[in-house]
Amino acid sequence: DQQVKQNSPSLSVQEGRISILNCDYTNSMFDYFLWYKKYPAEGPTFLISISSIKDKNEDGRFTVFLNKSAKHLSLHIVPSQPGDSAVYFCAARPNSGYALNFGKGTSLLVTP
Amino acid sequence: DTGVSQDPRHKITKRGQNVTFRCDPISEHNRLYWYRQTLGQGPEFLTYFQNEAQLEKSRLLSDRFSAERPKGSFSTLEIQRTEQGDSAMYLCASSLGPGRRTEKLFFGSGTQLSVL
Repeated sequence: DQQVKQNSPSLSVQEGRISILNCDYTNSMFDYFLWYKKYPAEGPTFLISISSIKDKNEDGRFTVFLNKSAKHLSLHIVPSQPGDSAVYFCAARPNSGYALNFGKGTSLLVTP
Repeated sequence: DTGVSQDPRHKITKRGQNVTFRCDPISEHNRLYWYRQTLGQGPEFLTYFQNEAQLEKSRLLSDRFSAERPKGSFSTLEIQRTEQGDSAMYLCASSLGPGRRTEKLFFGSGTQLSVL
């Protein structure tokens, strides 16, 4: 069963605007969350992460918000740039074990 | 290039054949992971090595799959008697321990397997 869900397969945003990518999870044992970005023919690259004890983490244009009660996190990209066009994966780590659980990804297209 | 290296990039094989993939992690990384990604899905965890010890295996890793990491350096993933359902991108990732919670995985570009 899919414990990490990204319900929007794709998103299109104009350059300069905000991109908001959403992720929901079902396992309350997840205590660390990560976002990865993937370009075609490349492996995923780490973007930003957040611990379950925080509700926000910011790194430049990228901010991740975590709502534990709703089991929801979101990635905000401001301002969006054409180079941000990629597939974004949400991933979660349980408080024991080493496996990351990934969502199916959201394909972001930033248009000029 | 000091990233994670995977070889080959593409592999086409006939059903029933055996295949082996290689992963060279970032040199100082003691942790190595194998993931599998099929079309429209996110990466799925297969197995984890800390140095040469295989510490965690997914139930996705059937007895046709075997992974090794001799001497804690490179790793190989072998699939015996391949099936069409094995067609996927096989991703290797590495990280530097000892911390677990906040570790960041660095992925290779993957090996795309097609089983005909």
